[in-house]
Amino acid sequence: GIQVEQSPPDLILQEGANSTLRCNFSDSVNNLQWFHQNPWGQLINLFYIPSGTKQNGRLSATTVATERYSLLYISSSQTTDSGVYFCAVEGTTDSWGKLQFGAGTQVVVTP
Amino acid sequence: DAGVIQSPRHEVTEMGQEVTLRCKPISGHDYLFWYRQTMMRGLELLIYFNNNVPIDDSGMPEDRFSAKMPNASFSTLKIQPSEPRDSAVYFCASSSADVGTHGQYFGPGTRLTVT
Repeated sequence: GIQVEQSPPDLILQEGANSTLRCNFSDSVNNLQWFHQNPWGQLINLFYIPSGTKQNGRLSATTVATERYSLLYISSSQTTDSGVYFCAVEGTTDSWGKLQFGAGTQVVVTP
Repeated sequence: DAGVIQSPRHEVTEMGQEVTLRCKPISGHDYLFWYRQTMMRGLELLIYFNNNVPIDDSGMPEDRFSAKMPNASFSTLKIQPSEPRDSAVYFCASSSADVGTHGQYFGPGTRLTVT
């Protein structure tokens, strides 16, 4: 099956800093999503982004499907951004909707 | 929209007991997914349904696990008999095949502890 690698595994930021999280995948994809799992365990859908660029407030994401990677940008980080960020992909050879999750990037934003 | 609803939020049970987890998907979504999250294995897809029909159950760990979706607004995941290694957070998610709305939305999860 498709492999998903996220980097870095851990990230500590001071409030107000910017950061970039990376997701590499091993094959062509139909679907790519970024999720945020907050410290209470809730998984929040941030972006559906199989290609191109999207922005939502201080967060933005870019997927370069031909080069098999996606980036999630956090600008002016806040303590509420803490948690684990997951990238999940659906390979073109997978059944529709069958997502493979990466191991996640643990982000801690300090005041 | 109320989002995906799961119950119970926490379940503590003894080994050998039957456990039933419940999920109500977002209204209008035609796909429903059950996941399990553990520290060791991360997020794993167990089974998913399309229009109430199971499509792929290759992630179901063994025969002790079963899932049903009797109608578009309700699904259950049952473990019988439960074992300590089943302890995990179980998530339900739903999505729609409509163009432009591809994306899975997760419920709050059920934290299961089997002692």
